Amino acid sequence: DSGVTQTPKHLITATGQRVTLRCSPRSGDLSVYWYQQSLDQGLQFLIQYYNGEERAKGNILERFSAQQFPDLHSELNLSSLELGDSALYFCASSVDVGDSPLHFGNGTRLTVT
Amino acid sequence: KNEVEQSPQNLTAQEGEFITINCSYSVGISALHWLQQHPGGGIVSLFMLSSGKKKHGRLIATINIQEKHSSLHITASHPRDSAVYICAVPGNFGNEKLTFGTGTRLTIIP
Repeated sequence: DSGVTQTPKHLITATGQRVTLRCSPRSGDLSVYWYQQSLDQGLQFLIQYYNGEERAKGNILERFSAQQFPDLHSELNLSSLELGDSALYFCASSVDVGDSPLHFGNGTRLTVT
Repeated sequence: KNEVEQSPQNLTAQEGEFITINCSYSVGISALHWLQQHPGGGIVSLFMLSSGKKKHGRLIATINIQEKHSSLHITASHPRDSAVYICAVPGNFGNEKLTFGTGTRLTIIP
């Protein structure tokens, strides 16, 4: 058990809709990362937060947004969903932003129909 | 952006065989991650290493910073080792903006 909790495990929704994915980091970890894994693109970094502040941005679409709350949990909001957004979304956490081990959640499988 | 290449893409071996998976990257890094993704989809972090060698049970990871190359070895492979193994390197340092390899799908036959 990594200590990282992601909810929900599965999400099925229609095109054009908006969903929110939630991540609770491992106790003591201040940094949260979001990744997308699709069949054609593999794993891609989306965005990173550290202690409530956005730290780094990757290939995140403008339709997607995220935030990290004072209790350090994070939410990834996906809006105007398209079929191509269907993917596994992973959250990971680490104690800081430097060279420290990553702890992954079990992912949320999003299916857009 | 760091280019990450893994080889082989697929590997099938008999139980007990010694396994080697390779990862090469194009830009110097501070540390490299090896991850294991189970058939169910979950990801487990195996190693983070910045130099030399690390060992955990039957798993050994090595890195050569000068040659920009890392290897993951599995000794006495077992069917439960069947998974996708992924290496990842940071954009700047630590865990920032990780770029992932395409993964090596390992199947161990009893």
